[in-house]
Amino acid sequence: DTGVSQDPRHKITKRGQNVTFRCDPISEHNRLYWYRQTLGQGPEFLTYFQNEAQLEKSRLLSDRFSAERPKGSFSTLEIQRTEQGDSAMYLCASSISREGSQFPTGELFFGEGSRLTVL
Amino acid sequence: AQRVTQPEKLLSVFKGAPVELKCNYSYSGSPELFWYVQYSRQRLQLLLRHISRESIKGFTADLNKGETSFHLKKPFAQEEDSAMYYCALSGRMTTDSWGKFQFGAGTQVVVTP
Repeated sequence: DTGVSQDPRHKITKRGQNVTFRCDPISEHNRLYWYRQTLGQGPEFLTYFQNEAQLEKSRLLSDRFSAERPKGSFSTLEIQRTEQGDSAMYLCASSISREGSQFPTGELFFGEGSRLTVL
Repeated sequence: AQRVTQPEKLLSVFKGAPVELKCNYSYSGSPELFWYVQYSRQRLQLLLRHISRESIKGFTADLNKGETSFHLKKPFAQEEDSAMYYCALSGRMTTDSWGKFQFGAGTQVVVTP
């Protein structure tokens, strides 16, 4: 499968613990996005990268959240001192940004998500 | 500010009936609009984008800049159209640079025979 993969698919943790999610995008994709989705809501933007540069972070991304994409390939999203309100599906997506082309904004390809449950 | 509004959480239609999913957006610059779909137990995937002006699976969507809308339409709904539909917007940051995707809350479509 050459699509976007996320690991782990499910994570149950106790309040106060740290968790880390990993996303492996489609190999030639230069953009990588993290979204959070709670029940009944659409994906909420958290942050995105172009290659290794983090271009924007949402105000939803508190100081307890950190995302990295060290070599412009895979990315990690770490949540420190988890709270029950962090329980959600964390989605990763990747795309190709072709500046100057007819379709500059590449289609987003989503992973299956990492479901976090904080007890 | 960049915002996408989908006013209907649920649309229930009969097979063969027309279906229209509403999407309104707020963006001060030049946006690109998309519809994404999530079928049961599948990943979110692109359905169509306004720039390509295509009809995908019988669905069309027209960008109306005056009304800031991008409604999705299909003249004859099929049972396989039952899914969650999300409208999304990507805004132009500079002449050649496009930014993040912003999604609406989604509309669940249920097509009954």
